[in-house]
Amino acid sequence: AQKITQTQPGMFVQEKEAVTLDCTYDTSDPSYGLFWYKQPSSGEMIFLIYQGSYDQQNATEGRYSLNFQKARKSANLVISASQLGDSAMYFCAMRGPYNFNKFYFGSGTKLNVKP
Amino acid sequence: DSGVTQTPKHLITATGQRVTLRCSPRSGDLSVYWYQQSLDQGLQFLIQYYNGEERAKGNILERFSAQQFPDLHSELNLSSLELGDSALYFCASSVGKGFEQPQHFGDGTRLSIL
Repeated sequence: AQKITQTQPGMFVQEKEAVTLDCTYDTSDPSYGLFWYKQPSSGEMIFLIYQGSYDQQNATEGRYSLNFQKARKSANLVISASQLGDSAMYFCAMRGPYNFNKFYFGSGTKLNVKP
Repeated sequence: DSGVTQTPKHLITATGQRVTLRCSPRSGDLSVYWYQQSLDQGLQFLIQYYNGEERAKGNILERFSAQQFPDLHSELNLSSLELGDSALYFCASSVGKGFEQPQHFGDGTRLSIL
């Protein structure tokens, strides 16, 4: 069964605007972690942000924030003030549930920032 | 720098050959994961080791094998290579416990089969 779903294969955003990348997950367990990774065209996977299932507040890291809606099982990544360097593939991932050795990745969203 | 080291960065070989990809995890990380990423595709989980023991298997072909050594570095062996094995192979490591700990990825080994 699909644990992580990213429904946007590709997106465009104008430079300096904000963009939201969608991620929904599937679990009935209360304990899990949610992560976002960035993969630029050079290929490396860069860890961006983490949200814990028990966290009351949305995570933020610089221009990245995570819009965590637990009841909806969504963990959308918001990038504010997009820059050309944000053009990349973005993956949502979940650690757990039940077994913290398990990681599940979504299929990714390719973001293109237009000048 | 993620702290995860993968070698080599690039590998070009021919069909039918055998190659070994190497990964050194971040200091203190006991878990090592291997992924395959074909062109413009998502991450395909291959196999996971924790402190030298195999813990989980994904869609890993029988022609592929891996191991984690006592010093925690890991090797992924690919044999009888086919054109379709051309891909970016990632190693990632994480601490063994805690849902809040992310995987940290190496830069990958880009394998090209001619």
